[in-house]
Amino acid sequence: QVQLKETGPDLVQLTQTLSITCTVSGFSLTTYNVHWVRQPPGKGLEWMGAMWNGGGTDYNSAFKSRLSISRDTSKSQVFLKMNSLQTDDTAKYFCARQAFDYWGQGVMVTVSS
Amino acid sequence: DVVMTQTPPSLSVAIGQSVSISCKSSQSLVYSDGKTYLHWLLQSPGRSPKRLIYQVSNLGSGVPDRFSGTGSQKDFTLKISRVEAEDLGVYYCAQTTHFPPTFGAGTKLELK
Repeated sequence: QVQLKETGPDLVQLTQTLSITCTVSGFSLTTYNVHWVRQPPGKGLEWMGAMWNGGGTDYNSAFKSRLSISRDTSKSQVFLKMNSLQTDDTAKYFCARQAFDYWGQGVMVTVSS
Repeated sequence: DVVMTQTPPSLSVAIGQSVSISCKSSQSLVYSDGKTYLHWLLQSPGRSPKRLIYQVSNLGSGVPDRFSGTGSQKDFTLKISRVEAEDLGVYYCAQTTHFPPTFGAGTKLELK
């Protein structure tokens, strides 16, 4: 069955870099797109960027200068890397399959000073 | 970016009641292929979002037919007939017609 699972740190220091891995199963990254979406505590959903099935990427302009998305198709993994973290980057980070049909459980990341 | 406006922000309902949630977009959501990529998600407390409806009116796998979606162009509605306890949570509309994908602010469905 289709599954996505995010793994990453629960605490990141101010101005440091966040790295999260989304490991997928039940589908191929060369067939389906994968999105990254985040949700600050008590708030709504914010689209961050996507890894397209063809290998290209797109980013929300709000993050473009500090966000990078990549993948390793042999390991069925998509990677999110975001630098210069601030306290308002504290959020739950999700990966989701295209058209948001399946979601991972998310990883809650707190940015600490 | 396309702005998705959901109303109401919250709803208080009794089990068995029917409710509707509105989602209006700042631009038409009809894509060049003629399809409308407007989806509805439910985030139950403490859980990840789950897609209920895709492309305006198509039920996701395993989603009960108490849920229905209607609408076109810029105006969409999610209806829940005979609300059950498991339906409580925050409902989001989302569009993937235009780049970047955007979400509504959510409608919180609570028990009366």
